[in-house]
Amino acid sequence: DTGVSQNPRHKITKRGQNVTFRCDPISEHNRLYWYRQTLGQGPEFLTYFQNEAQLEKSRLLSDRFSAERPKGSFSTLEIQRTEQGDSAMYLCASSPQGADSPLHFGNGTRLTVT
Amino acid sequence: GNSVTQMEGPVTLSEEAFLTINCTYTATGYPSLFWYVQYPGEGLQLLLKATKADDKGSNKGFEATYRKETTSFHLEKGSVQVSDSAVYFCALGGSNFGNEKLTFGTGTRLTIIP
Repeated sequence: DTGVSQNPRHKITKRGQNVTFRCDPISEHNRLYWYRQTLGQGPEFLTYFQNEAQLEKSRLLSDRFSAERPKGSFSTLEIQRTEQGDSAMYLCASSPQGADSPLHFGNGTRLTVT
Repeated sequence: GNSVTQMEGPVTLSEEAFLTINCTYTATGYPSLFWYVQYPGEGLQLLLKATKADDKGSNKGFEATYRKETTSFHLEKGSVQVSDSAVYFCALGGSNFGNEKLTFGTGTRLTIIP
């Protein structure tokens, strides 16, 4: 079990640019989640996948955000036309299917939009 | 909607002191309740959970009891150690709600001084 891996760890970008983050979940986990965390707040749910199917998206996920999990393994989160308000820590988590299975979080990708 | 209110931090205690971090929640139905912990430089990890009223979750000397009558899930430890220094998050969710919608509190930063 190598844990959930996220890349890059840090990303600094200029407003208006597009960014893409990658998450590699624990290999036998079929559920994958994206959360966003801003300073002084707890993680906020963005979206989740079961295998390759995106089953739910939060209202926080504007049209500029898109997430994919094409083969049911790794996932990408893309933000188009970044805004300063997108600056946050983006967290990925995975879990096996099953009632109340714990989420295993990665260390996150910290995005700074200048 | 669902929400979690946590004791504001930061909290600073001396080693071997008694710890309580308060957590109350608002939810429709019967959520499961969780405490997650984030150690410096690491991802969030599950500390303990309780899935129904009057359940007690415990791990690493920490305990929390699911109190439906007071809608609370306070975290306690009888004798803290320096290694317990971390940020603690209370959360609700679970199979009745879907794990995909874990709702987190804002977190409480705990520092233990020798």
